[in-house]
Amino acid sequence: DVKVTQSSRYLVKRTGEKVFLECVQDMDHENMFWYRQDPGLGLRLIYFSYDVKMKEKGDIPEGYSVSREKKERFSLILESASTNQTSMYLCASRKSSTDTQYFGPGTRLTVL
Amino acid sequence: SQQGEEDPQALSIQEGENATMNCSYKTSINNLQWYRQNSGRGLVHLILIRSNEREKHSGRLRVTLDTSKKSSSLLITASRAADTASYFCATDARSYNTDKLIFGTGTRLQVFP
Repeated sequence: DVKVTQSSRYLVKRTGEKVFLECVQDMDHENMFWYRQDPGLGLRLIYFSYDVKMKEKGDIPEGYSVSREKKERFSLILESASTNQTSMYLCASRKSSTDTQYFGPGTRLTVL
Repeated sequence: SQQGEEDPQALSIQEGENATMNCSYKTSINNLQWYRQNSGRGLVHLILIRSNEREKHSGRLRVTLDTSKKSSSLLITASRAADTASYFCATDARSYNTDKLIFGTGTRLQVFP
């Protein structure tokens, strides 16, 4: 079974802090994704990565950056957290030759 | 917006009844997927239907796709309390030359025992 893990289930940070959200997958998937989920807005894509060292902006990249130094790990970075980044963050991975995405359990981030 | 829309936003039924959720989308697609999300958890893939397919079954799930109307429906037959979750449709955006999935806003299903 594919397993996608995220470093924290719940996280509370203060405005202006630098925040790292980590995602690890154990199935050698090439593609990895970061989404945020907000009530009434569904899932919105922040960044994705086709492979190691590669990254592409999604629909809402402002205020975020990413890092993919190893194939199994995709990190989302909030350089200076703001209250409007309070959200549920979901990581997903996918084998490049397939269509199905496999999701982690999510990190609920609160920025005070 | 490319975003899909699910209908209804919320649905409450009794165990044993069927649940039908609809999804409309705006762009041409290669495939449409349905995902399920238990409260506060990640999404789990349920079923994928390709643009050249009209209907697909998986256990108690039945998905239909009408590309002329840009719509899909998910039917859960003989529902159980454990089916309580949010259900999302997702379309690939390959017509926009990307590999992104575009998710709808979801239908919250409540199944009462």
